[in-house]
Amino acid sequence: AQSVTQLDSHVSVSEGTPVLLRCNYSSSYSPSLFWYVQHPNKGLQLLLKYTSAATLVKGINGFEAEFKKSETSFHLTKPSAHMSDAAEYFCVVYSSYGKLTFGQGTILTVHP
Amino acid sequence: EAGVAQSPRYKIIEKRQSVAFWCNPISGHATLYWYQQILGQGPKLLIQFQNNGVVDDSQLPKDRFSAERLKGVDSTLKIQPAKLEDSAVYLCASSVIAGVNTGELFFGEGSRLTVL
Repeated sequence: AQSVTQLDSHVSVSEGTPVLLRCNYSSSYSPSLFWYVQHPNKGLQLLLKYTSAATLVKGINGFEAEFKKSETSFHLTKPSAHMSDAAEYFCVVYSSYGKLTFGQGTILTVHP
Repeated sequence: EAGVAQSPRYKIIEKRQSVAFWCNPISGHATLYWYQQILGQGPKLLIQFQNNGVVDDSQLPKDRFSAERLKGVDSTLKIQPAKLEDSAVYLCASSVIAGVNTGELFFGEGSRLTVL
Protein backbone atom coordinates (compact mmCIF):
# COMPACT_ATOMS: atom_id res chain seq x y z
CA ALA A 1 0.00 0.00 0.00
CA GLN A 2 1.11 3.50 -0.71
CA SER A 3 1.08 6.22 1.92
CA VAL A 4 2.43 9.65 2.73
CA THR A 5 3.56 11.14 6.02
CA GLN A 6 3.63 14.86 6.60
CA LEU A 7 6.27 15.50 9.19
CA ASP A 8 4.88 18.74 10.63
CA SER A 9 1.29 19.39 11.64
CA HIS A 10 1.94 23.13 11.95
CA VAL A 11 4.53 25.42 10.39
CA SER A 12 4.81 29.10 11.23
CA VAL A 13 6.89 31.57 9.21
CA SER A 14 7.23 35.32 8.83
CA GLU A 15 6.16 37.01 5.65
CA GLY A 16 9.04 37.15 3.19
CA THR A 17 10.90 34.16 4.66
CA PRO A 18 11.21 30.72 3.03
CA VAL A 19 8.61 28.01 3.44
CA LEU A 20 9.40 24.31 3.83
CA LEU A 21 6.65 21.72 4.27
CA ARG A 22 7.94 18.19 4.58
CA CYS A 23 6.48 15.01 3.16
CA ASN A 24 7.80 11.46 3.04
CA TYR A 25 6.19 8.74 1.00
CA SER A 26 6.05 5.00 1.08
CA SER A 27 5.56 3.12 -2.17
CA SER A 28 6.53 -0.19 -3.66
CA TYR A 29 7.05 1.43 -7.04
CA SER A 30 7.65 4.88 -8.47
CA PRO A 31 4.75 6.95 -7.18
CA SER A 32 2.81 9.88 -8.49
CA LEU A 33 2.76 12.59 -5.85
CA PHE A 34 0.83 15.79 -5.45
CA TRP A 35 0.42 18.73 -3.18
CA TYR A 36 -3.04 20.17 -2.59
CA VAL A 37 -3.89 23.38 -0.74
CA GLN A 38 -7.03 24.16 1.24
CA HIS A 39 -7.77 27.73 2.17
CA PRO A 40 -10.31 28.32 4.97
CA ASN A 41 -13.84 27.55 3.84
CA LYS A 42 -12.62 26.82 0.32
CA GLY A 43 -12.35 23.64 -1.68
CA LEU A 44 -9.08 21.76 -2.07
CA GLN A 45 -7.00 22.90 -5.02
CA LEU A 46 -4.15 21.17 -6.82
CA LEU A 47 -0.88 23.01 -6.21
CA LEU A 48 1.51 20.82 -8.18
CA LYS A 49 2.13 17.24 -9.27
CA TYR A 50 5.01 14.84 -9.90
CA THR A 51 4.43 12.06 -12.40
CA SER A 52 7.94 10.70 -13.08
CA ALA A 53 9.05 13.45 -15.44
CA ALA A 54 11.31 16.19 -14.03
CA THR A 55 12.12 15.69 -10.35
CA LEU A 56 11.79 19.41 -9.61
CA VAL A 57 8.18 20.39 -10.08
CA LYS A 58 6.88 23.94 -10.23
CA GLY A 59 3.37 24.76 -9.17
CA ILE A 60 1.10 27.71 -8.78
CA ASN A 61 1.82 30.78 -6.63
CA GLY A 62 5.60 30.26 -6.64
CA PHE A 63 5.59 26.88 -4.91
CA GLU A 64 7.80 24.02 -6.02
CA ALA A 65 8.62 20.53 -4.82
CA GLU A 66 11.50 18.15 -5.42
CA PHE A 67 11.08 14.41 -5.71
CA LYS A 68 14.01 12.62 -4.05
CA LYS A 69 13.82 8.88 -4.47
CA SER A 70 16.85 8.18 -2.28
CA GLU A 71 15.19 10.00 0.61
CA THR A 72 11.60 9.02 -0.28
CA SER A 73 10.70 12.66 0.11
CA PHE A 74 8.60 15.23 -1.73
CA HIS A 75 9.04 18.44 0.23
CA LEU A 76 7.17 21.61 -0.73
CA THR A 77 9.07 24.91 -0.76
CA LYS A 78 8.60 28.56 -1.56
CA PRO A 79 11.39 31.15 -1.41
CA SER A 80 9.32 33.92 0.12
CA ALA A 81 6.08 33.49 2.04
CA HIS A 82 3.11 35.74 1.46
CA MET A 83 0.22 36.32 3.81
CA SER A 84 -2.11 34.72 1.27
CA ASP A 85 -0.17 31.44 1.56
CA ALA A 86 -1.71 30.78 4.97
CA ALA A 87 -3.69 27.59 4.49
CA GLU A 88 -3.58 23.85 5.06
CA TYR A 89 -1.40 21.83 2.71
CA PHE A 90 -1.81 18.15 1.92
CA CYS A 91 0.74 15.81 0.42
CA VAL A 92 -1.05 13.18 -1.66
CA VAL A 93 -0.09 9.93 -3.37
CA TYR A 94 -1.90 8.52 -6.36
CA SER A 95 -2.73 4.93 -5.56
CA SER A 96 -4.65 3.14 -8.24
CA TYR A 97 -7.31 3.96 -10.80
CA GLY A 98 -7.70 7.54 -9.71
CA LYS A 99 -7.62 7.00 -5.96
CA LEU A 100 -5.75 9.64 -4.00
CA THR A 101 -4.48 9.01 -0.47
CA PHE A 102 -3.99 12.16 1.57
CA GLY A 103 -1.50 12.92 4.30
CA GLN A 104 -2.61 14.39 7.60
CA GLY A 105 -2.05 17.96 6.50
CA THR A 106 0.23 20.81 7.52
CA ILE A 107 -1.24 24.11 8.63
CA LEU A 108 0.89 27.01 7.45
CA THR A 109 0.68 30.24 9.42
CA VAL A 110 2.29 33.38 8.02
CA HIS A 111 3.06 36.23 10.40
CA PRO A 112 3.37 39.83 9.21
CA GLU B 1 -16.75 26.86 -16.07
CA ALA B 2 -18.89 26.05 -13.06
CA GLY B 3 -17.18 24.17 -10.26
CA VAL B 4 -18.34 21.25 -8.14
CA ALA B 5 -21.51 22.21 -6.31
CA GLN B 6 -22.43 20.79 -2.92
CA SER B 7 -25.35 21.32 -0.59
CA PRO B 8 -26.11 21.95 2.13
CA ARG B 9 -22.95 23.72 3.30
CA TYR B 10 -23.77 23.15 6.94
CA LYS B 11 -25.99 20.68 8.76
CA ILE B 12 -26.55 20.05 12.45
CA ILE B 13 -28.46 16.96 13.53
CA GLU B 14 -28.85 14.80 16.57
CA LYS B 15 -27.44 11.30 16.75
CA ARG B 16 -29.61 8.60 15.22
CA GLN B 17 -31.14 11.10 12.79
CA SER B 18 -30.56 10.89 9.07
CA VAL B 19 -28.95 13.36 6.68
CA ALA B 20 -28.33 13.59 2.96
CA PHE B 21 -25.76 15.54 1.00
CA TRP B 22 -25.95 16.39 -2.66
CA CYS B 23 -23.19 16.92 -5.19
CA ASN B 24 -23.22 18.12 -8.78
CA PRO B 25 -19.84 17.56 -10.46
CA ILE B 26 -18.27 19.56 -13.24
CA SER B 27 -20.06 18.93 -16.50
CA GLY B 28 -18.50 16.07 -18.45
CA HIS B 29 -16.54 14.64 -15.54
CA ALA B 30 -17.04 10.89 -15.49
CA THR B 31 -15.55 10.20 -12.08
CA LEU B 32 -17.08 11.37 -8.83
CA TYR B 33 -15.68 10.94 -5.33
CA TRP B 34 -16.97 11.40 -1.81
CA TYR B 35 -14.36 12.06 0.85
CA GLN B 36 -14.79 12.40 4.62
CA GLN B 37 -12.54 14.91 6.36
CA ILE B 38 -12.54 14.73 10.14
CA LEU B 39 -11.09 17.73 11.94
CA GLY B 40 -7.31 17.49 12.09
CA GLN B 41 -7.08 14.69 9.52
CA GLY B 42 -6.63 14.44 5.80
CA PRO B 43 -9.58 13.56 3.61
CA LYS B 44 -10.45 9.85 3.47
CA LEU B 45 -12.09 8.33 0.41
CA LEU B 46 -15.56 6.95 1.08
CA ILE B 47 -16.69 6.03 -2.40
CA GLN B 48 -15.66 6.52 -6.01
CA PHE B 49 -18.02 6.36 -9.00
CA GLN B 50 -17.12 5.97 -12.64
CA ASN B 51 -20.22 7.24 -14.46
CA ASN B 52 -22.98 5.53 -12.47
CA GLY B 53 -20.97 2.50 -11.38
CA VAL B 54 -19.07 2.08 -8.12
CA VAL B 55 -15.30 1.70 -8.51
CA ASP B 56 -14.28 1.68 -4.84
CA ASP B 57 -16.42 1.72 -1.72
CA SER B 58 -14.10 -0.28 0.50
CA GLN B 59 -14.03 2.40 3.21
CA LEU B 60 -17.71 3.24 3.18
CA PRO B 61 -19.45 2.13 6.43
CA LYS B 62 -22.23 0.38 4.60
CA ASP B 63 -24.33 -0.26 7.68
CA ARG B 64 -25.12 3.45 7.88
CA PHE B 65 -23.76 5.19 4.78
CA SER B 66 -25.12 4.91 1.28
CA ALA B 67 -24.43 6.76 -1.94
CA GLU B 68 -25.87 6.77 -5.39
CA ARG B 69 -25.24 8.34 -8.76
CA LEU B 70 -28.20 7.10 -10.71
CA LYS B 71 -27.83 8.97 -13.99
CA GLY B 72 -24.07 9.28 -13.92
CA VAL B 73 -24.20 12.98 -13.13
CA ASP B 74 -25.11 14.24 -9.67
CA SER B 75 -24.80 12.16 -6.54
CA THR B 76 -26.30 11.85 -3.08
CA LEU B 77 -24.58 10.62 0.07
CA LYS B 78 -26.83 9.54 2.92
CA ILE B 79 -26.11 8.74 6.54
CA GLN B 80 -28.73 6.87 8.55
CA PRO B 81 -28.57 6.72 11.51
CA ALA B 82 -25.87 9.25 12.27
CA LYS B 83 -23.34 8.78 15.04
CA LEU B 84 -21.30 11.36 16.91
CA GLU B 85 -18.15 10.22 15.09
CA ASP B 86 -19.73 11.12 11.75
CA SER B 87 -19.14 14.80 12.50
CA ALA B 88 -16.90 15.86 9.64
CA VAL B 89 -16.75 17.75 6.38
CA TYR B 90 -17.99 15.69 3.45
CA LEU B 91 -16.16 16.61 0.28
CA CYS B 92 -17.30 15.84 -3.20
CA ALA B 93 -14.79 15.85 -6.04
CA SER B 94 -14.83 15.05 -9.71
CA SER B 95 -12.31 14.33 -12.41
CA VAL B 96 -12.48 13.79 -16.12
CA ILE B 97 -11.79 10.09 -15.92
CA ALA B 98 -10.10 7.81 -13.43
CA GLY B 99 -7.15 5.75 -14.48
CA VAL B 100 -5.65 8.72 -16.26
CA ASN B 101 -2.66 9.66 -14.19
CA THR B 102 -3.33 13.34 -13.73
CA GLY B 103 -4.19 13.28 -10.06
CA GLU B 104 -6.20 16.43 -10.51
CA LEU B 105 -9.47 16.28 -8.71
CA PHE B 106 -11.77 19.26 -8.55
CA PHE B 107 -13.29 19.66 -5.13
CA GLY B 108 -16.43 21.32 -3.92
CA GLU B 109 -16.41 23.48 -0.80
CA GLY B 110 -17.75 20.65 1.31
CA SER B 111 -20.71 19.98 3.56
CA ARG B 112 -19.97 20.35 7.25
CA LEU B 113 -21.92 17.93 9.43
CA THR B 114 -22.21 18.29 13.18
CA VAL B 115 -23.83 15.44 15.08
CA LEU B 116 -24.97 16.28 18.62
